[in-house]
Amino acid sequence: RKEVEQDPGPFNVPEGATVAFNCTYSNSASQSFFWYRQDCRKEPKLLMSVYSSGNEDGRFTAQLNRASQYISLLIRDSKLSDSATYLCVVNNPTQVSGTYKYIFGTGTRLKVLA
Amino acid sequence: DGGITQSPKYLFRKEGQNVTLSCEQNLNHDAMYWYRQDPGQGLRLIYYSQIVNDFQKGDIAEGYSVSREKKESFPLTVTSAQKNPTAFYLCASSPLPRAWETQYFGPGTRLLVL
Repeated sequence: RKEVEQDPGPFNVPEGATVAFNCTYSNSASQSFFWYRQDCRKEPKLLMSVYSSGNEDGRFTAQLNRASQYISLLIRDSKLSDSATYLCVVNNPTQVSGTYKYIFGTGTRLKVLA
Repeated sequence: DGGITQSPKYLFRKEGQNVTLSCEQNLNHDAMYWYRQDPGQGLRLIYYSQIVNDFQKGDIAEGYSVSREKKESFPLTVTSAQKNPTAFYLCASSPLPRAWETQYFGPGTRLLVL
């Protein structure tokens, strides 16, 4: 089983639609969680951190379910500019006390259609 | 402007040749990382460094080497021992590899084998 799993998509949605992505992780010791956005042939950029209580940033909402070990990203009122690949990232403890390592999902591709 | 720079943007390697990818940051971050991204796969950690003159192997270190002589610089050498070097190489940095620290990425270097 992969440490972090995402549906690769693509998710093709019309402008204005609401779309949700899920990501599951296997390590119950995972400490922190992030969503990154990656445009084609570019570097990943932080979209948002995912907090236990859930958090919202404009049209984007992230949720964490530790019991079921998954995180989600909801995008409301999709824009053409939201078209990108969304990477789920889990930060796991390493063997060196107090340090952590990012584990990346393979990404979910979103295409917003006019 | 603070950020991470990588050069070159594209690099071509001949069989049996070692090549070095540059990564520089002016964010005053202690930790720096090298990742490799292949199509359909998540980013995989090659090497990371938490402090000058110290670095650790990541998950796929074979065929690569690094140095950390200055806080700002973390060059990656792809040696001839790396048999499948064609990939997108991303350098990142963070204040420290702690649980909620965010990693920031450079624009990447695309390495192709001739």
